Amino acid sequence: EIVMTQSPATLSVSPGERATLSCRASQSVSSSLAWYQQKPGQAPRLLIYGASARATGIPARFSGSGSGTEFTLTIRSLQSEDFAVYYCQQYNNWWTFGQGTKVEIK
Amino acid sequence: QVQLVQSGAEVKKPGASVKVSCKASGYTFTNYGISWVRQAPGQGLEWMGWTYNGNTNYAQKFQGRVTMTTDTSTSTAYMELRSLRSDDTAVYYCARDDTGFGVYWGQGTLVTVSS
Repeated sequence: EIVMTQSPATLSVSPGERATLSCRASQSVSSSLAWYQQKPGQAPRLLIYGASARATGIPARFSGSGSGTEFTLTIRSLQSEDFAVYYCQQYNNWWTFGQGTKVEIK
Repeated sequence: QVQLVQSGAEVKKPGASVKVSCKASGYTFTNYGISWVRQAPGQGLEWMGWTYNGNTNYAQKFQGRVTMTTDTSTSTAYMELRSLRSDDTAVYYCARDDTGFGVYWGQGTLVTVSS
């Protein structure tokens, strides 16, 4: 099983600032990496797939990068609606999720 | 528009079974697999397995205890989990598998296991 490790567990950011979230795979997943946003009481929402492609309707302030074992989700100029939990997910070998990063208001 | 509508909340006793349904609409059901993901209270997302046109693949953790099926006549996927324990208390989600990731998700079904 491929283990996904996200850091940090919690990120405190002021509105308007940049947030950088990391995700590491225990073995190469190529570019088979997705990012999701989840708010309390809601299902996950796909943000990024293929490590860097934005899903339909996702604002340009969300960007993904990386390949192999190291990945980054960057949220440029955080808006109030962006405070949530973010999960990475590999799909190179079925599905595995990271444990999540909570982005909270500083 | 694509929709996945799941069955309602369940309360079960330890040792019982639960069967959650996920009714799809807005797309050709047989063109996509369905993955099941669960989330325990305050915890992260955990993939349970996948089903597509009679084929299945289950996470090792759930093998022997879970069965995922589909009914193409009603465009509905099912996930049955047996021998329930208290740590199976979670929200269970279905998601359409779009070549590896979930664009569309059900609203979630809370399963509570309690004596």
